[in-house]
Amino acid sequence: DQQVKQNSPSLSVQEGRISILNCDYTNSMFDYFLWYKKYPAEGPTFLISISSIKDKNEDGRFTVFLNKSAKHLSLHIVPSQPGDSAVYFCAARNFGNEKLTFGTGTRLTIIP
Amino acid sequence: NAGVTQTPKFRVLKTGQSMTLLCAQDMNHEYMYWYRQDPGMGLRLIHYSVGEGTTAKGEVPDGYNVSRLKKQNFLLGLESAAPSQTSVYFCASSQGRTIGSPLHFGNGTRLTVT
Repeated sequence: DQQVKQNSPSLSVQEGRISILNCDYTNSMFDYFLWYKKYPAEGPTFLISISSIKDKNEDGRFTVFLNKSAKHLSLHIVPSQPGDSAVYFCAARNFGNEKLTFGTGTRLTIIP
Repeated sequence: NAGVTQTPKFRVLKTGQSMTLLCAQDMNHEYMYWYRQDPGMGLRLIHYSVGEGTTAKGEVPDGYNVSRLKKQNFLLGLESAAPSQTSVYFCASSQGRTIGSPLHFGNGTRLTVT
């Protein structure tokens, strides 16, 4: 049972435009969410996170939105840059639970 | 500051052979994890450890064993490799339960079992 779902395997966006990556979850006990970015032949790197007590968190060009009632989160990247081309994973955790549950990833390609 | 280091980077095994993957972290992190990444499956947790001398099972533990004899090292063993264990393996570490302590990943080990 996939508790964290990323339904879009790939996404292409023009440079300078907004990239929106989506993630849905089914476990209502999740209360902390993270986004990771992964380049080929490298490990995932942490990008941004959000606690369930918030509905938005910003860090520079990256903003994560959380809609708890819809069990949905999204990552907005604006403006998109060529270096943003990577695979993006969303992940979720219960506070106090040591395990992160990852989605299947979305490959973002920024078109120059 | 190396972060999380995994060795080896690549390995090819024949079915039935054994091997150990080594993970070392220099951030004094309490928690360490082993994940595998397969196409269309994302990252799945194999085993994890919340401190030296402790280990616990994750989502997909069958066919693997782990040991955490030293805080900085987390070993993943395959006693009798199977083709289904062909995957990319990632080790990660974190400070622990504190909110805002994300996982730091190594660069992975690509394992092929023929």
